[in-house]
Amino acid sequence: QKEVEQNSGPLSVPEGAIASLNCTYSDRGSQSFFWYRQYSGKSPELIMFIYSNGDKEDGRFTAQLNKASQYVSLLIRDSQPSDSATYLCAVNEEGGKLIFGQGTELSVKP
Amino acid sequence: EAQVTQNPRYLITVTGKKLTVTCSQNMNHEYMSWYRQDPGLGLRQIYYSMNVEVTDKGDVPEGYKVSRKEKRNFPLILESPSPNQTSLYFCASRTATGGLNEQFFGPGTRLTVL
Repeated sequence: QKEVEQNSGPLSVPEGAIASLNCTYSDRGSQSFFWYRQYSGKSPELIMFIYSNGDKEDGRFTAQLNKASQYVSLLIRDSQPSDSATYLCAVNEEGGKLIFGQGTELSVKP
Repeated sequence: EAQVTQNPRYLITVTGKKLTVTCSQNMNHEYMSWYRQDPGLGLRQIYYSMNVEVTDKGDVPEGYKVSRKEKRNFPLILESPSPNQTSLYFCASRTATGGLNEQFFGPGTRLTVL
């Protein structure tokens, strides 16, 4: 069974700080990597995806991928209380299936 | 508005009473899937469908059935619900050729089985 692992947290950061969320995966053949944000009781919302090694930036969010080490991370700069949510890492599997990690709870304190 | 809808949004039922959770999308998507989400376990795929009349098991199919008679609808059927099926359920859809970054999730159905 292919696995995606995240630290469940909670990760607590002060407002304005950088939040760093990490994810490791077991399948070396995975090609696509996704970060979802999920507020309590709501559906997951895609915030970043990355296919190539290196960094991808979108506003305050940066996704980092290192295929050799099999990890993908999400950095949130200038964290805001509204960023408080659970962040789900997902990795594609053959056939177009997504494997999700268990999620990391982020709390941004004012 | 492009969306995936689920009904009901909340359901409390008793062990053994058959129930159906409906899922409908208005985007003409070929691929639809059902997930369940439990604390500490993330989202796990129950069943998926590549197109009308084509369905297959995901990672946790036991105790569930699905059907895909129409492209827009993908109901999840629990023939004899048990307490271990208490969970938050999400339906999702995307095109067959679209990337996974174009997957849409429904709003979720919170099911409690007593």
